Amino acid sequence: SQTIHQWPATLVQPVGSPLSLECTVEGTSNPNLYWYRQAAGRGLQLLFYSVGIGQISSEVPQNLSASRPQDRQFILSSKKLLLSDSGFYLCALHREGTSEQYFGPGTRLTVT
Amino acid sequence: GQQLNQSPQSMFIQEGEDVSMNCTSSSIFNTWLWYKQDPGEGPVLLIALYKAGELTSNGRLTAQFGITRKDSFLNISASIPSDVGIYFCAGSRSNDYKLSFGAGTTVTVRA
Repeated sequence: SQTIHQWPATLVQPVGSPLSLECTVEGTSNPNLYWYRQAAGRGLQLLFYSVGIGQISSEVPQNLSASRPQDRQFILSSKKLLLSDSGFYLCALHREGTSEQYFGPGTRLTVT
Repeated sequence: GQQLNQSPQSMFIQEGEDVSMNCTSSSIFNTWLWYKQDPGEGPVLLIALYKAGELTSNGRLTAQFGITRKDSFLNISASIPSDVGIYFCAGSRSNDYKLSFGAGTTVTVRA
């Protein structure tokens, strides 16, 4: 079965500091992967998706970037965090042959 | 982006009650999905619907894919305290890999 890991689970960072969030998946190969952000009490905003190594599509112009250095690894980064980057970041994978997406446990980011 | 209108935004329900929530769109979708999110966790897929008119159950949950392909409904029967959470609808068109999400329905159960 497919498993999604996200690291770290929680993070508190000062404004202007860099960011690196990691998502790794198991039990599948060449998955489509997604990064979402969820502000407090709000819905899900798609940030990036990737259909393969080195292939990144950005949905919203912003302070963040994504990379896919390996088939089962998806990284979300920032060079300088803003207060507005605070939120709950979710990685998801697309189940091949369906329209279903499955989510990881999330990373809670607080920018102070 | 969020192109789906989900209602109600929140609901307080009595334990044992049946409840309903719905999701509508101005666009046609080929797949409707319903997720539940517990506090501090990622959303979990509850039900996936692939055919217009389809009615699918998962335990006490029942969801329907609207005939027009522009709406979907989720029903929870005999609510229990663990039904607390946020329920999201999502729709997919067959020609891309992206989902459109509703803003969520927050369910709180009174014991």
